[in-house]
Amino acid sequence: GAVVSQHPSRVICKSGTSVKIECRSLDFQATTMFWYRQFPKQSLMLMATSNEGSKATYEQGVEKDKFLINHASLTLSTLTVTSAHPEDSSFYICSATLRASTVNTIYFGEGSWLTVV
Amino acid sequence: RKEVEQDPGPFNVPEGATVAFNCTYSNSASQSFFWYRQDCRKEPKLLMSVYSSGNEDGRFTAQLNRASQYISLLIRDSKLSDSATYLCVVNKGTYKYIFGTGTRLKVLA
Repeated sequence: GAVVSQHPSRVICKSGTSVKIECRSLDFQATTMFWYRQFPKQSLMLMATSNEGSKATYEQGVEKDKFLINHASLTLSTLTVTSAHPEDSSFYICSATLRASTVNTIYFGEGSWLTVV
Repeated sequence: RKEVEQDPGPFNVPEGATVAFNCTYSNSASQSFFWYRQDCRKEPKLLMSVYSSGNEDGRFTAQLNRASQYISLLIRDSKLSDSATYLCVVNKGTYKYIFGTGTRLKVLA
């Protein structure tokens, strides 16, 4: 079963509107979650690190005012794409790390396809 | 130099063939390495972790070469269902991970 759940899986929105994507860790607490963006035929690019109870850490080149991240609980992080434009159309995916004594394993949400028209 | 580099492929191989991918990384302090598989328009799924001594899982073998800073994935007896993009993942810091661009594999009937 899914360890990390992401919703919605697909969303179409009009240019200029905002879209919220949720990422939930199931059956475990994730103090840190990560948000990635993947354009067609490209790799996953880390956008930001979402920290529970504090501000997100954004990667260089990612606009923090455009991609709002909230990590209000240990099992939920949200990404809001504000004033979306067609160039924001992409596959957005979150991940959480399940920490173990020997190796940490990354689990991904199912991803969200955003289309801005 | 990219932090994690992979040959994008595609690697077109016949069923039953053995195929190997390499992935180089730039941070000598990296400690965690993984291979993920990503099917078209889906999220990546863990294929296997890569351990220092090398490890095998069925038809898949992963190895780490710290001196040359690369990891490898070997697939034996390729199946049609192995067709996918294989992503190399390397840690950066404690819990941040960097992905390679992925190597596309097509197994042909």
